[in-house]
Amino acid sequence: NAGVTQTPKFQVLKTGQSMTLQCAQDMNHEYMSWYRQDPGMGLRLIHYSVGAGITDQGEVPNGYNVSRSTTEDFPLRLLSAAPSQTSVYFCASSTGQGKSYEQYFGPGTRLTVT
Amino acid sequence: AQSVTQPDIHITVSEGASLELRCNYSYGATPYLFWYVQSPGQGLQLLLKYFSGDTLVQGIKGFEAEFKRSQSSFNLRKPSVHWSDAAEYFCAVYGSGNTGKLIFGQGTTLQVKP
Repeated sequence: NAGVTQTPKFQVLKTGQSMTLQCAQDMNHEYMSWYRQDPGMGLRLIHYSVGAGITDQGEVPNGYNVSRSTTEDFPLRLLSAAPSQTSVYFCASSTGQGKSYEQYFGPGTRLTVT
Repeated sequence: AQSVTQPDIHITVSEGASLELRCNYSYGATPYLFWYVQSPGQGLQLLLKYFSGDTLVQGIKGFEAEFKRSQSSFNLRKPSVHWSDAAEYFCAVYGSGNTGKLIFGQGTTLQVKP
């Protein structure tokens, strides 16, 4: 199993550009989430999904869109990049079955918006 | 509202010394608690988790944590720190509603002196 994969690893955008951060998992997990990590703030939830076709907002959803057409993929779209979106983005997945609440994290995407 | 607080932003210990990282949570019901470690430039790795039962939980790399309901704490400990333990440590609580969400503390950066 590859686990949770994210692409790209690094990205530089200009203000106003759009892009999609890719996330895929091969563990057949129902639950997937996107977090952003900023210094001194830990990880904050952007959007999450409890299954294909079902998504919801987290703590900091503004400026981001998600969709979940398959169990495996959960892309994060930046509609019009802003410098405030400079961050490290992590995708995570979990089974959500019974008490298996452990989340598996991807390696992250480091995004810089100039 | 659920929250996690890590009071220490930065801790420095000497190699071979003992370590305790503090974590306090706010959660109405029985919490599901986690400690993750992040090495520089890497993703998050699960150290240990508490769901129920024995309040002293053993994890990987020689770490343990103790759940104390009366103090709303879940402190991470290691009897003898190694230089390779230098990293950032995150405490997290599973959010309510069975949505796969984690709520993270701000993180504690551990520096190990030779």
